[in-house]
Amino acid sequence: NAGVMQNPRHLVRRRGQEARLRCSPMKGHSHVYWYRQLPEEGLKFMVYLQKENIIDESGMPKERFSAEFPKEGPSILRIQQVVRGDSAAYFCASSPLYGSSGYTFGSGTRLTVV
Amino acid sequence: KQEVTQIPAALSVPEGENLVLNCSFTDSAIYNLQWFRQDPGKGLTSLLLIQSSQREQTSGRLNASLDKSSGRSTLYIAASQPGDSATYLCAVEVASGSRLTFGEGTQLTVNP
Repeated sequence: NAGVMQNPRHLVRRRGQEARLRCSPMKGHSHVYWYRQLPEEGLKFMVYLQKENIIDESGMPKERFSAEFPKEGPSILRIQQVVRGDSAAYFCASSPLYGSSGYTFGSGTRLTVV
Repeated sequence: KQEVTQIPAALSVPEGENLVLNCSFTDSAIYNLQWFRQDPGKGLTSLLLIQSSQREQTSGRLNASLDKSSGRSTLYIAASQPGDSATYLCAVEVASGSRLTFGEGTQLTVNP
């Protein structure tokens, strides 16, 4: 069991470019969550997805950010026209469909906007 | 709105000391509470999960307790070691499959 896989581990983008962050949940997990950790701050919820459905996106900034979890393939967090303030660590977590055995987190993607 | 607070924000102790990290939450209607460890520049490692019906969980030198009615949890670390140095995060889940709400963490340093 490979756990939650996130890639890339580090991503550098210039202001105005697009950033795509990928997350493959643990085998058997059908819930995916994205969290953001700004420098010197705690983890903040962004979005919760199931396959082909966005369940809760109340933590997503209104503009430039989008997320998807297609029927096949990883979940993608997309940031368009990145700005310096988007520099942060982005973590993905997954959990099983029924019951709660807790969340398993990936190692994160550290985005640096230059 | 659920809010999670962790005290202290930072803690430095000599090796071998027993210590307690505190977590409080404002809404006692939680589904479960999870303690994580985060090493600098790394992801989160789950330490202990306490379901709302449980009072405590133990794993090795770690023991976590939960008092839902008072909105508190503690993480007890026995015989601390330098390798325990990390940031410890408390997070609550209000319903099965819902988001986690995190505290700001306690940064622990265990000095040899």
